Amino acid sequence: AQRVTQPEKLLSVFKGAPVELKCNYSYSGSPELFWYVQYSRQRLQLLLRHISRESIKGFTADLNKGETSFHLKKPFAQEEDSAMYYCALSNNAGNMLTFGGGTRLMVKP
Amino acid sequence: DVKVTQSSRYLVKRTGEKVFLECVQDMDHENMFWYRQDPGLGLRLIYFSYDVKMKEKGDIPEGYSVSREKKERFSLILESASTNQTSMYLCASRWGRLNEQYFGPGTRLTVT
Repeated sequence: AQRVTQPEKLLSVFKGAPVELKCNYSYSGSPELFWYVQYSRQRLQLLLRHISRESIKGFTADLNKGETSFHLKKPFAQEEDSAMYYCALSNNAGNMLTFGGGTRLMVKP
Repeated sequence: DVKVTQSSRYLVKRTGEKVFLECVQDMDHENMFWYRQDPGLGLRLIYFSYDVKMKEKGDIPEGYSVSREKKERFSLILESASTNQTSMYLCASRWGRLNEQYFGPGTRLTVT
């Protein structure tokens, strides 16, 4: 069975500090991983996917198959980054996502 | 721009009532999904549909059923609402092999 674990429910940092939101997964196949974000009073939306190897809003995430991790990082946090972040794993058929429990990021001024 | 809409933002129902949550997407997506979102538990898949009249159980289907009579509409049904079904319900849609799911604004259901 596939599983996604986000060990921190809440992460609080000061503006300008580096941020790392942790995500670990368990999956027997070749994983496809995503980060979704939900800002206050907005709908859940895709932030980035590992296959794109892109940087969105200054965030990056690298898939580490050896450590089965897909941590989300940003070198300098901004107040507008405050949101709920979910890591998600796709199954082999690509038709289902398994989400982690979410991490609430609070960036203090 | 993909739009996924849900019939209600807030809903209050009594225990034992039959509840319908409606979701509509306007991008001709084949796949549609219903999740519930609870603090600390993240999103859990209730049901999904990969085509009209086709459905598959997700991780927590007990107490729920779904209906997809038209491609753009996916309904979640609580046959007899219970207090442990108080939650935020999110609908999503997805096109083909692209794994990005597009989410609706959510319906916060309270069962008293």
